[in-house]
Amino acid sequence: DAGITQSPRHKVTETGTPVTLRCHQTENHRYMYWYRQDPGHGLRLIHYSYGVKDTDKGEVSDGYSVSRSKTEDFLLTLESATSSQTSVYFCAISESKPETQYFGPGTRLLVL
Amino acid sequence: GIQVEQSPPDLILQEGANSTLRCNFSDSVNNLQWFHQNPWGQLINLFYIPSGTKQNGRLSATTVATERYSLLYISSSQTTDSGVYFCAVLKAAGNKLTFGGGTRVLVKP
Repeated sequence: DAGITQSPRHKVTETGTPVTLRCHQTENHRYMYWYRQDPGHGLRLIHYSYGVKDTDKGEVSDGYSVSRSKTEDFLLTLESATSSQTSVYFCAISESKPETQYFGPGTRLLVL
Repeated sequence: GIQVEQSPPDLILQEGANSTLRCNFSDSVNNLQWFHQNPWGQLINLFYIPSGTKQNGRLSATTVATERYSLLYISSSQTTDSGVYFCAVLKAAGNKLTFGGGTRVLVKP
């Protein structure tokens, strides 16, 4: 299995508070991705990174920012959490864009 | 954007049965993957198969890129095969995987 960890694994927070989720990989893969999974919507891409300090938006990027200062870490920040951001967040990695993506264990976020 | 449709949406199998899951997509792709999400939520990559046929144990997959569909075969199903199976595609020159809605599989003992 690819070495991908996510932290925290579970979080409960209140509306309006900032939240940062961390994805850490030990595979030295170039590409890293953040997805959210919601009933009825499947998995949707939030942001992705194609290298250190190189990031781009996905299809549901509003309300989220990301940073990648090291190859191994990709951070997802909710600047001011809203109830609509309650979801399960998955990080994924791939060696190059068209190749196999490997997923982390997910983070369950509840925004009250 | 590209559309990805999976069928059937739900499948109930008796242990030992065989089944076929289908993924149709609306545009040319250079990446197609099948994933299994187990009941604990973990997403496991099954196949990277933009074209052709691959086999891994009791699972096999075939993608006919020219006709824009892929099939996932489960043979001699086991209860551990339960979960949701997702197909995901990446358009040529695209930058994101688009996931289908999934097929929820329940294998009964």
